[in-house]
Amino acid sequence: DGGITQSPKYLFRKEGQNVTLSCEQNLNHDAMYWYRQDPGQGLRLIYYSQIVNDFQKGDIAEGYSVSREKKESFPLTVTSAQKNPTAFYLCASRPGQGGPYGYTFGSGTRLTVV
Amino acid sequence: ILNVEQSPQSLHVQEGDSTNFTCSFPSSNFYALHWYRWETAKSPEALFVMTLNGDEKKKGQISATLNTKEGYSYLYIKGSQPEDSATYLCAFLPTSGTYKYIFGTGTRLKVLA
Repeated sequence: DGGITQSPKYLFRKEGQNVTLSCEQNLNHDAMYWYRQDPGQGLRLIYYSQIVNDFQKGDIAEGYSVSREKKESFPLTVTSAQKNPTAFYLCASRPGQGGPYGYTFGSGTRLTVV
Repeated sequence: ILNVEQSPQSLHVQEGDSTNFTCSFPSSNFYALHWYRWETAKSPEALFVMTLNGDEKKKGQISATLNTKEGYSYLYIKGSQPEDSATYLCAFLPTSGTYKYIFGTGTRLKVLA
């Protein structure tokens, strides 16, 4: 079955550490996205990529970095520069740039700074 | 800044009750609106893709309507069941060319048996 796999499900990070969240899809989708959810807020876009080897900043990119070396993979690194990284992170993909296609989502990673 | 609002924030209903909630979005530059159902510990699941003013979509006991001129969409659940308990998210796609959806904060529905 096609889908998106995020790992790990739970992640604990010490202050000052960088951590990388994995997102892999086997849907042959061109576009991939990272969102962050905080209590009482809607999903906020961190980074997105519409094609391999290209990505753009979303609304809250500071303190995060991404890469898109393969179509299937879009890992997110939460760097030590991210002041408040404790949150729930969702990865999503959609077929491409055109059309009103919706997202396919992963099941998320909950990151906690300890 | 484009804003998408959902109301109410949360809702408790009894099994068998019908319920509805609202998604409000900018009425200009509309391209598409999506509804998602998000159960705890699972991935958000697509319910409806709505693109035309006056659209009405139905999936089982859940239906949705769209009014792009006034900027709102309603989601209706007829005869709620405990398994309908979830957060219902709407996402607005403007004709901005960037294909970035703007999400509402969701309506959390709890159906009591």
